[in-house]
Amino acid sequence: SQQGEEDPQALSIQEGENATMNCSYKTSINNLQWYRQNSGRGLVHLILIRSNEREKHSGRLRVTLDTSKKSSSLLITASRAADTASYFCATDIRGSQGNLIFGKGTKLSVKP
Amino acid sequence: KAGVTQTPRYLIKTRGQQVTLSCSPISGHRSVSWYQQTPGQGLQFLFEYFSETQRNKGNFPGRFSGRQFSNSRSEMNVSTLELGDSALYLCASSFGSGGGETDTQYFGPGTRLTVL
Repeated sequence: SQQGEEDPQALSIQEGENATMNCSYKTSINNLQWYRQNSGRGLVHLILIRSNEREKHSGRLRVTLDTSKKSSSLLITASRAADTASYFCATDIRGSQGNLIFGKGTKLSVKP
Repeated sequence: KAGVTQTPRYLIKTRGQQVTLSCSPISGHRSVSWYQQTPGQGLQFLFEYFSETQRNKGNFPGRFSGRQFSNSRSEMNVSTLELGDSALYLCASSFGSGGGETDTQYFGPGTRLTVL
C-alpha cells in the first residue's frame, strides 16, 4: 500500500483563494517532500521538510509536518491559474536512501 | 546549469521487445533514481544508483534493470516488454551523499513508453 496518501484527490478553487492539501504516511521518516507535476511532465520539487522541523515557507507555499500524527499539509496562498497541476507528497523512509515513496497526488484546478 | 535530460522522450514498442532508456543527471550529481508512473499505480520507485552501484531497488521483476556509468549517466533496460509496462518513466538526480537521507530530487521530463 502507498506510504503517503494525499487528501483530497481533487480540488477546484477560484484564483485568489487558498488551497490546502494533506498527506498522511505510515512509517518513520527522515524527511517529507512536496512536488508538483504539470500534466504528464516531470516533477518539480517544491519543499523538503525534515522530521525535526514543524513548518517551512517558500514564497506562497507553507508546509507543516506533524510527526506524532504522521501527517503533513501544503498550503498555497493566493492561488493563480498557473498553480493548476498535480501535487504529490513523497516520504523518505529511514534506512531507504534514494527511494522516495510517493502518494497518488492531489489534482488542483485553479479557475481564473 | 542544465537540467536532467532523458532520451528518447517518446517510444513505441511491441510486446516481447526490449527497450533502453537513458538519463543524464545534473552536473555534479552522483545519484540517479528511476520511477515508473502509471494512472493506476501512480509513481513507483524502480532503483537508485550512486557512484555506479545500485544502492536501492524497488519491487519490480528482473526484466527491469539499470546501470550507471562513471560520468553518472544512467540507463534502464526493460526486456520482454508487456502491455502493462506502458508508462511514463522518470529519472531523478541528486547529490546523493546525504548521510542516509534522500535529498531533493531533480526530475527529468520523462520517457513516455507505449507497448502495443
